[in-house]
Amino acid sequence: DQQVKQNSPSLSVQEGRISILNCDYTNSMFDYFLWYKKYPAEGPTFLISISSIKDKNEDGRFTVFLNKSAKHLSLHIVPSQPGDSAVYFCAASASLSSGSARQLTFGSGTQLTVLP
Amino acid sequence: KAGVTQTPRYLIKTRGQQVTLSCSPISGHRSVSWYQQTPGQGLQFLFEYFSETQRNKGNFPGRFSGRQFSNSRSEMNVSTLELGDSALYLCASSLVLADSYNEQFFGPGTRLTVL
Repeated sequence: DQQVKQNSPSLSVQEGRISILNCDYTNSMFDYFLWYKKYPAEGPTFLISISSIKDKNEDGRFTVFLNKSAKHLSLHIVPSQPGDSAVYFCAASASLSSGSARQLTFGSGTQLTVLP
Repeated sequence: KAGVTQTPRYLIKTRGQQVTLSCSPISGHRSVSWYQQTPGQGLQFLFEYFSETQRNKGNFPGRFSGRQFSNSRSEMNVSTLELGDSALYLCASSLVLADSYNEQFFGPGTRLTVL
């Protein structure tokens, strides 16, 4: 049972246009959400995050939107650049009982290709 | 500051063998988590260690085990390898404290192929 779903395995966008990557989750206990970017032969690198008390977080060309009622988040990249071509993973975290560490639940990833 | 390092980077084993993977976290990071990445499945959480103790465990069989040493370095062991264990194994470290979220930093991974 996948608690975090990325239903689009791939996305192609023209350079300069907006890229929108989507993610859905089922666990209502998730209260922190992150996006990671992964290039081949490298580990994932943190991109941007959002807490459930917010509905938007912006960092340069990257904006994450959270719709708690729909259990949906999206990552917008504008303008898209060829160097953005990578696999993007959505991840979610739930607050655990005191003394335990949070763990990340990842989606299956979306391969973004930005065409020059 | 050096990043998370994992050794070896590539490994080929045969069914039934066992394998040990190593992870050195970023200096000062005391939490180490392990993930398995397979095509179409994303990153599946294996376990997390903090101060030499396993704090969280994912839904994997007992063939998958790990440990952490006093210097925070961690090892992951898979016994009686199966073809389905072929995957990229990723290690991540963080400064995590209880019930607060801290960013996880990933290593480049170990690509395990089971023949």
